[in-house]
Amino acid sequence: GQQLNQSPQSMFIQEGEDVSMNCTSSSIFNTWLWYKQDPGEGPVLLIALYKAGELTSNGRLTAQFGITRKDSFLNISASIPSDVGIYFCAGRAEFGNEKLTFGTGTRLTIIP
Amino acid sequence: DTAVSQTPKYLVTQMGNDKSIKCEQNLGHDTMYWYKQDSKKFLKIMFSYNNKELIINETVPNRFSPKSPDKAHLNLHINSLELGDSAVYFCASSPRGRLTEAFFGQGTRLTVV
Repeated sequence: GQQLNQSPQSMFIQEGEDVSMNCTSSSIFNTWLWYKQDPGEGPVLLIALYKAGELTSNGRLTAQFGITRKDSFLNISASIPSDVGIYFCAGRAEFGNEKLTFGTGTRLTIIP
Repeated sequence: DTAVSQTPKYLVTQMGNDKSIKCEQNLGHDTMYWYKQDSKKFLKIMFSYNNKELIINETVPNRFSPKSPDKAHLNLHINSLELGDSAVYFCASSPRGRLTEAFFGQGTRLTVV
């Protein structure tokens, strides 16, 4: 089946630093979504991308839909303690297909 | 006020038992899902229902049986529980259409002992 690989697997950064993570696929996706999961909670949608090349921001978060349709990137600027959590990318291969394939996750830790 | 709610939040049970997890959404969405998150945090879809009709069934053992009495509810029944069933199970819902995004519940942590 399709797999989405996220990198890095984990990040240890200091508060105030910028963060970059990416997600790659072996096949084309038509929709890319970025979720964040806090401990003991379900994933929460951060950003949705629907067109190749699209760049979308949500506060300090910016995500891009790769031109090849096989990758997506998430950047977080000026990280704060509440950014800690696991970030997941998710892709949908076909319009009208409700199946989301999730990435392997990037665990973000902020060092005091 | 809760959008997607699951019960129970925690479930500890012995091998061989049968258990159910309930899910309700008040978002008016047409599509509901069950996802399984393993110990490595990998999320995998199990089932998807659209307006009470099963549309996705991902190679899940037939010990798992989803039931959708109406489009706002999707329950998951698990027979003859095994140790490997221990995981966090998430219910989610999304509106039908091209621009769809899944909204997740808080999860049910199932521990089989």
